[in-house]
Amino acid sequence: QKEVEQDPGPLSVPEGAIVSLNCTYSNSAFQYFMWYRQYSRKGPELLMYTYSSGNKEDGRFTAQVDKSSKYISLFIRDSQPSDSATYLCAMTSDSSYKLIFGSGTRLLVRP
Amino acid sequence: SAVISQKPSRDICQRGTSLTIQCQVDSQVTMMFWYRQQPGQSLTLIATANQGSEATYESGFVIDKFPISRPNLTFSTLTVSNMSPEDSSIYLCSVAGFGQPQHFGDGTRLSIL
Repeated sequence: QKEVEQDPGPLSVPEGAIVSLNCTYSNSAFQYFMWYRQYSRKGPELLMYTYSSGNKEDGRFTAQVDKSSKYISLFIRDSQPSDSATYLCAMTSDSSYKLIFGSGTRLLVRP
Repeated sequence: SAVISQKPSRDICQRGTSLTIQCQVDSQVTMMFWYRQQPGQSLTLIATANQGSEATYESGFVIDKFPISRPNLTFSTLTVSNMSPEDSSIYLCSVAGFGQPQHFGDGTRLSIL
């Protein structure tokens, strides 16, 4: 069993839809949770960074962490074609150390 | 966040040869890391580059195959030695300040013939 599970997709939605991306994990020591966006031929770009349980909002993006269920989510409101990319969840027990990544979910937002 | 430059951005190499990848940051950073992203897969940490001392390697990665240097707080190199087709991958450098999340460069796309 992988430490972090993420549905690879692809997930195809119409423009303007609300997108929900999710990861589950098995290691209860994880404290820091991140979402990265990766466009083709580019490196991962940090979108959201949260510590422990709770919600964090940044513009159209909301990250949720439920440590009791070992489940994290990223919501994208009013999705745009420019949001089409691969979304990677990542987590670690130490804020500046080894990240464990999910396999990534490919998102396609159709105009 | 810091601007991270990786060179080369891509290369095609012959098996048995070695390639050195450079990672340059525009400001001093505490932590530098090297990851591998194999085709269609997620990122796996190769090693933590330690300034002025030997890198710390993750299980499955060894110094003879992936020697790493970090002479100062803004620069690191990763060498992929004695390459085989299985080494075809994207190699990514990431950096972080103490207690801060990691930021990534755009990677080096390596193909071995």
